[in-house]
Amino acid sequence: GAVVSQHPSRVICKSGTSVKIECRSLDFQATTMFWYRQFPKQSLMLMATSNEGSKATYEQGVEKDKFLINHASLTLSTLTVTSAHPEDSSFYICSAPSAGGPGNQPQHFGDGTRLSIL
Amino acid sequence: GESVGLHLPTLSVQEGDNSIINCAYSNSASDYFIWYKQESGKGPQFIIDIRSNMDKRQGQRVTVLLNKTVKHLSLQIAATQPGDSAVYFCAERLTGANSKLTFGKGITLSVRP
Repeated sequence: GAVVSQHPSRVICKSGTSVKIECRSLDFQATTMFWYRQFPKQSLMLMATSNEGSKATYEQGVEKDKFLINHASLTLSTLTVTSAHPEDSSFYICSAPSAGGPGNQPQHFGDGTRLSIL
Repeated sequence: GESVGLHLPTLSVQEGDNSIINCAYSNSASDYFIWYKQESGKGPQFIIDIRSNMDKRQGQRVTVLLNKTVKHLSLQIAATQPGDSAVYFCAERLTGANSKLTFGKGITLSVRP
């Protein structure tokens, strides 16, 4: 079945560092991918929609200059947390809708990236 | 098993009992609904989905019920097992595979041996 791979799984770094997270669709193409953030014991909150060949669409309250998204190809989207601070520490998860059919198909999620800023 | 709304964070059931997890979704225009299971430190795992033109769908040990009149979704797990212990989220979506998902608050299912 379709698989979404996310890398790295865990990052620990100093405040002020920029961190790049990769999201790859392994056996299907994804013109759209989604980036979520999840704080402990909370739900997934959509940050932005990554669009291949065009700019990402950010949800209200998400700083686009802080969270840079690049959809480099039909199988890769990257999220860069620029100048990360402790409050950016969270679990970041990407997803991609599965190709292979019209209309409604489930999204497939990566296993997340645990970001810890010291 | 107990029936709880998503405003209650934890559902505890005895192994072998049936579990019922409820969700009140927000957008009457949503036409596709999904239940996800999330284990600690992992991404959400697809369990079952249902389209708005259906009111019931069954999978292996799981059943999803949809009541559009009251915007209510439920997940029933038969013969709950320890491996079912996780956080469960409902999600809703508008038409189209590339439409974004909106997640409910989630509930922790704890299975007592």
